[in-house]
Amino acid sequence: AQSVTQLDSQVPVFEEAPVELRCNYSSSVSVYLFWYVQYPNQGLQLLLKYLSGSTLVKGINGFEAEFNKSQTSFHLRKPSVHISDTAEYFCAVSDRGGGFKTIFGAGTRLFVKA
Amino acid sequence: GAVVSQHPSRVICKSGTSVKIECRSLDFQATTMFWYRQFPKQSLMLMATSNEGSKATYEQGVEKDKFLINHASLTLSTLTVTSAHPEDSSFYICSANDRESNQPQHFGDGTRLSIL
Repeated sequence: AQSVTQLDSQVPVFEEAPVELRCNYSSSVSVYLFWYVQYPNQGLQLLLKYLSGSTLVKGINGFEAEFNKSQTSFHLRKPSVHISDTAEYFCAVSDRGGGFKTIFGAGTRLFVKA
Repeated sequence: GAVVSQHPSRVICKSGTSVKIECRSLDFQATTMFWYRQFPKQSLMLMATSNEGSKATYEQGVEKDKFLINHASLTLSTLTVTSAHPEDSSFYICSANDRESNQPQHFGDGTRLSIL
């Protein structure tokens, strides 16, 4: 079984500052990793995904994440945030052989201040 | 691109009512669909895995008689919340896998259910 831990429930940051949202996972099998963003009262939007290949994954809206197998981490980063990046961010993992059943972390609230 | 449509987007009904939520894959066939529930300020919790032509697999703690799932075709899964009560009020989200591409799932936009 897989599990996902998002280490920060809230991350306040000033506009144009860099940000890193942390995610660690555990699994006994190979996994796919995802980051989703959810704006208030809306559904999920996929930011980026790691399936295979390069461990540095670039996504939409200037976000990127790095898969680190030895540390079982998949931290999300952005070099310069905007007010519009304020949202809830979810890290998720699905096992490669389980029909893509996906487990979500608890979420991190990113709050960008002017 | 692939799209998953969920209907209705919002429903408000009285306690004791049964509510059906539909999840459709619009341009691909989905052998597997998943149903999630999200309470306010919480994460998405997997409720069940819906497999076309067979019984759904429910996660621990989810009442299968309360949350009826039917996956009658490769493009449609339905979740029926039977005899809904205020504690069933939540945001329900479905997702589907594209059988042909074998790529990770696409999510619907969710259904906000409010039971009065």
